[in-house]
Amino acid sequence: DTEVTQTPKHLVMGMTNKKSLKCEQHMGHRAMYWYKQKAKKPPELMFVYSYEKLSINESVPSRFSPECPNSSLLNLHLHALQPEDSALYLCASSRAAYNEQFFGPGTRLTVL
Amino acid sequence: TQLLEQSPQFLSIQEGENLTVYCNSSSVFSSLQWYRQEPGEGPVLLVTVVTGGEVKKLKRLTFQFGDARKDSSLHITAAQPGDTGLYLCAGVSPLQGAQKLVFGQGTRLTINP
Repeated sequence: DTEVTQTPKHLVMGMTNKKSLKCEQHMGHRAMYWYKQKAKKPPELMFVYSYEKLSINESVPSRFSPECPNSSLLNLHLHALQPEDSALYLCASSRAAYNEQFFGPGTRLTVL
Repeated sequence: TQLLEQSPQFLSIQEGENLTVYCNSSSVFSSLQWYRQEPGEGPVLLVTVVTGGEVKKLKRLTFQFGDARKDSSLHITAAQPGDTGLYLCAGVSPLQGAQKLVFGQGTRLTINP
C-alpha cells in the first residue's frame, strides 16, 4: 500500500463552522506533513510531524490546529476560518529525512 | 529564507519540440526534487538529485543538478501531449526524522498536438 488518503475530497464551510480534515497512510512512515496550495501557486508547508510530535509550525494561524493521534493518522482541525483560507490542503508522508514524500490527492476547501 | 526561482512559469509548445525548465536558488540544498502535479491531485515525485553535477534520465526527461547544488534543470526531448502538467522543483532540507521542502513557483507546461 503506497497511498496517502485524504477525506473529505471537497469541503464547503462557513466562517463559524468547525470541521476537520483527515489524512491516513499505512506505509509505516514516521513523518507526516500538511501543505496549503492556493490556485496557480506551489504547495506551502504548514506543519511537520515527526514520530507523532509536532516539529515544525510555519507560523500558521491558530484557527488551524493539527493533531497526530497515531503514526498512521494526521488531522487538521479548522475553526473560524476566513474566505482567504480557501485552498487545496495536501497531506504527505515520508519514511524519514532523506526519503521521498508521498502526497495525498488533497482536500479542496471553500470557506464562505 | 530559502527561495527557489523556477522559469519559465508558463510554456506552450508543439508536440515533438524540446524544452528546458530551470530552477535556481541562492541557497544550497541537501538534494533537489522534481514533481509533476495533475489538476485535482497531489504532486508526484519524478526524481531526486543529490550530488553536484549529477545527471539523471527518465525516458525522455533529463534532470541535472548544478555543481554547487544550487540549481537544477529539467530537459524534455520530443515533448508529447501526455507531458502536459505542472512541474515543480523542490529543495530538500533534512530535519530530525523528517524533511522540509521548499517549492519553486512551478512551470505550467502545455504540449499541443
